[in-house]
Amino acid sequence: AQTVTQSQPEMSVQEAETVTLSCTYDTSENNYYLFWYKQPPSRQMILVIRQEAYKQQNATENRFSVNFQKAAKSFSLKISDSQLGDTAMYFCAFMKHVDSNYQLIWGAGTKLIIKP
Amino acid sequence: GAGVSQSPSNKVTEKGKDVELRCDPISGHTALYWYRQSLGQGLEFLIYFQGNSAPDKSGLPSDRFSAERTGGSVSTLTIQRTQQEDSAVYLCASSLDPRTAPRETQYFGPGTRLLVL
Repeated sequence: AQTVTQSQPEMSVQEAETVTLSCTYDTSENNYYLFWYKQPPSRQMILVIRQEAYKQQNATENRFSVNFQKAAKSFSLKISDSQLGDTAMYFCAFMKHVDSNYQLIWGAGTKLIIKP
Repeated sequence: GAGVSQSPSNKVTEKGKDVELRCDPISGHTALYWYRQSLGQGLEFLIYFQGNSAPDKSGLPSDRFSAERTGGSVSTLTIQRTQQEDSAVYLCASSLDPRTAPRETQYFGPGTRLLVL
């Protein structure tokens, strides 16, 4: 079975700093998808960035980028020039390439606090 | 609005009562998902619909849980004889057909917070 582990329950940084959130996963699959979602206090789960395992190039979305290390089964999220609006829970999620339910398998989340 | 909507946003019920949670997906999204988020934990997958069909219902935690989808649109998650351990946020998501590659992004609603007293 696939598992996703986020080892940092909570992190806090100053505004404008760079922060990296860790995520590791366990799977025997070779092809799969990885996601970072953000959940602010409004509870709305918002996709931040996604990565296809067959792509070697790390995904980037503006201030957000990932460090995808397939052999190490690591998928960290880097937030550059952090902003107060980045304060939220961040969840790492995994999806198999072939799955009858296309379900996302989730980590427990990291609470990120950006301080002014 | 163009997003996924869920109702009610909050529900307080007494142990043993039945509850119905509703999800309106994004128009045109054929896939719909239900997840449960317990306090301080990640999300737990419950069920997936493609159109009106759910290929696999094994994610539902017990036979007190059921879900249906009609017209390829609205879905209802029903919990019968609620228990205190059912207290959680129930999130619904929708996407375009995930059977096409690459995997389509799941878009989430704001959730229903259920409290069973």
